[in-house]
Order: sequence, then C-alpha cells, then structure tokens
Amino acid sequence: AQSVTQLDSQVPVFEEAPVELRCNYSSSVSVYLFWYVQYPNQGLQLLLKYLSGSTLVKGINGFEAEFNKSQTSFHLRKPSVHISDTAEYFCAVTQIQGAQKLVFGQGTRLTINP
Amino acid sequence: NAGVTQTPKFQVLKTGQSMTLQCAQDMNHNSMYWYRQDPGMGLRLIYYSASEGTTDKGEVPNGYNVSRLNKREFSLRLESAAPSQTSVYFCASSEARVAGNEQYFGPGTRLTVT
Repeated sequence: AQSVTQLDSQVPVFEEAPVELRCNYSSSVSVYLFWYVQYPNQGLQLLLKYLSGSTLVKGINGFEAEFNKSQTSFHLRKPSVHISDTAEYFCAVTQIQGAQKLVFGQGTRLTINP
Repeated sequence: NAGVTQTPKFQVLKTGQSMTLQCAQDMNHNSMYWYRQDPGMGLRLIYYSASEGTTDKGEVPNGYNVSRLNKREFSLRLESAAPSQTSVYFCASSEARVAGNEQYFGPGTRLTVT
C-alpha cells in the first residue's frame, strides 16, 4: 500500500516570492509521482509527473518538482508566484504495476498575498 | 471535446434517500474512477473501473455501488444516503493501458445529506 503526506496544510506567500510545497510518500513498491492543482470550484488538473529519468521535472505554469528517492520526497517549487497560483495542490502516487489507482495527499492550500 | 462531465453539479438529499451520480467521458479512455473529497483528507478512491465490464473497490466503498454502463459512462449510486456521505464527488478517466498516464477529472458534484 502507498501513502502520501503533505507536510503543510496551508502556505501563505507574497506575490513574486518563491514557494516550496512539500510531499513525502511511503510505498513498498515502485511508484509514479504526480502533482495536481485544483483552482476554486473546479476539478483537478495535472501540473507535472515523474515517471523515470531526470529527477527534476518541469510542469505547466512555471512549476517544477524534484524526486528524491532516498528521502522519498517529491517537493514542488516555483521561483516566483503570481496571484493566479492561488489554489489547492495535491501530491499523488500510483504503483507502476497493476491498476493505476491514485493515492492522494491531504492537499496544501497556497494563498498568494499582494 | 467536453472531457469528463458530471451531473448533477449540486444535490441535497435527506437521510435515507437514494440517488445516482452520472459521469461520462468522450476521450475513449478505458479506465474510470470515482473519488470523494473531504476537507483535510485529500481525495479518496471509492470505486474504479479498469476497463469496460469490470469494477473494483477502492479505499472507501461502503455505502456506494457503481455501474460501468459502457465505455463512456460510469455511474455512482448511493442507495441510502447518510450525513457521512456529505462530500464533493469527482469522476476521472484515464488511458491506463499506458502506465503513468494522467487522470482527467470532471468538475465535481457537491452533495449534502441532511
């Protein structure tokens, strides 16, 4: 079984400041890793994913994440945030073999202050 | 393409009433999923259908039933609604024969059980 822990439930930052949203996971098998974003009153959409290869993956809207196998982490970063980045962010994992069921973290609410 | 559509958008039920949440996708995906989203708990998988004609339980299946009507449609039924089923319900689909493919989410159904 897999589990995901997002270490911060809320992260307030000022516009144009950098941000890091932290995600740790636990799994007895190899997994793929994802970050999804949910804007207010909408469904989720994919920001980025790690399948294999380079541990630094780039996504949409200037976000990137780094996979660290030894620390079982997949932290999301953006060097300079914008008001439009205000949303809830979810880290998720799925096992590589078998049914592609996503296991989500609890979510981190990112609030950008002007 | 509409992507993943869900009906209704909002619903209020009394305890003990039944209802069916509808989901359809027009992306010719094989796999479909039902999640519930509760504050501080992220999204949790209720049921999924890896392919047409198959359904399996997820993390929180109690009190729900599903039907994969055809490749496009996957419905979720609450036979006797309880206040604990107050939540936002999301349907998703993916082409899961390619491992690591993203899931595409619908806009959600906000259900309140009184």
